[in-house]
Amino acid sequence: DQQVKQNSPSLSVQEGRISILNCDYTNSMFDYFLWYKKYPAEGPTFLISISSIKDKNEDGRFTVFLNKSAKHLSLHIVPSQPGDSAVYFCAASEESGGSNYKLTFGKGTLLTVNP
Amino acid sequence: DSGVTQTPKHLITATGQRVTLRCSPRSGDLSVYWYQQSLDQGLQFLIHYYNGEERAKGNILERFSAQQFPDLHSELNLSSLELGDSALYFCASKAVFDYGYTFGSGTRLTVV
Repeated sequence: DQQVKQNSPSLSVQEGRISILNCDYTNSMFDYFLWYKKYPAEGPTFLISISSIKDKNEDGRFTVFLNKSAKHLSLHIVPSQPGDSAVYFCAASEESGGSNYKLTFGKGTLLTVNP
Repeated sequence: DSGVTQTPKHLITATGQRVTLRCSPRSGDLSVYWYQQSLDQGLQFLIHYYNGEERAKGNILERFSAQQFPDLHSELNLSSLELGDSALYFCASKAVFDYGYTFGSGTRLTVV
């Protein structure tokens, strides 16, 4: 049973446009959500996160929105740049910090930004 | 450089063999996590160690085992290897009060 779902395996957008990556979760105990970005032959790197007490978090071109009632979050990238082309993983946890902390990841969405 | 070191970067071995993957966490991080990324499977959680103790197990096969040593480095042992074990294996570490992991660059295992 997949608790974190990224239903779009891939997304293609034009440079300068908005990229919207979606993520759904089923575990209502999740209280912290993160997005990771992964380039080929590299490990995932942290991009942006949001706590369940918020509905929006912004960092430069990246904004994450959380809709708890729908158990849905999205990552917006504006404007998209070719260097944003990568696999994006959504992740969630049900315990904030601590020694038993564990992230559950989605399968990822491959974003391609075309020049 | 993320600070998490994984060796080797690439490993090619035959079916039935045993291999050991090594991970050195970021300085000061007590938690080490192992994940497997197979084609179309995303990042599958294998096991979590905190300060030498096993804290959680995920979808880890009985043929696989891990440990974390007193110096906090960790090793993932894979035995009786099968073709389906070919994957990227990532190690990640985390400080106690951080909310996210820091990943290493992974070990690509190819079983032939």
